[in-house]
Amino acid sequence: AQTVTQSQPEMSVQEAETVTLSCTYDTSESDYYLFWYKQPPSRQMILVIRQEAYKQQNATENRFSVNFQKAAKSFSLKISDSQLGDAAMYFCAYRTPGRDDKIIFGKGTRLHILP
Amino acid sequence: GAGVSQSPSNKVTEKGKDVELRCDPISGHTALYWYRQRLGQGLEFLIYFQGNSAPDKSGLPSDRFSAERTGESVSTLTIQRTQQEDSAVYLCASSDPQGSSNSPLHFGNGTRLTVT
Repeated sequence: AQTVTQSQPEMSVQEAETVTLSCTYDTSESDYYLFWYKQPPSRQMILVIRQEAYKQQNATENRFSVNFQKAAKSFSLKISDSQLGDAAMYFCAYRTPGRDDKIIFGKGTRLHILP
Repeated sequence: GAGVSQSPSNKVTEKGKDVELRCDPISGHTALYWYRQRLGQGLEFLIYFQGNSAPDKSGLPSDRFSAERTGESVSTLTIQRTQQEDSAVYLCASSDPQGSSNSPLHFGNGTRLTVT
């Protein structure tokens, strides 16, 4: 069974600095998708960034980028120029395409931004 | 409404009562998911609907939990004889997998259930 592990329950970063959130996963599939979601105190889950496993190029969305290491089954999220609005829970998620299109989430990392 | 809508946003109930939680997915989204999120915890998969296929109920924690979905529209999650450990936020999400499986989930704001 697929699993997603986020080993950092909480992290803090100074405003304007860079922080990296780690995520590892376990799968025997070769084709899959990976996501990072953000959940601010409002509870609304928001997609931050996504990565297709067949793409070697790391996805980037403005200040957010990933370091995708397929062989190591690692999918870390880098936030550059951290802003107060980045404070939230961040969840890493895995999805296998097909009939059993279940999406597996990690337990999350709570990110604090220090002014 | 363009987003996923859940109701009620908050529900307080007495132990032993039944509750029904509702989810209106984004129009046209064939996939619908229910997740449970206990305080400070991650998302626990409960059930997944895909079009008219049989739902994947593998995450339902006990037979007190059930969910229905009519076609590709509204879904209701029912918890019978609620227990205090059922207290959590119940999140619904929908997705359109027709184009690609990298289609993201669109989440509702959740229903916070408190069992007293």
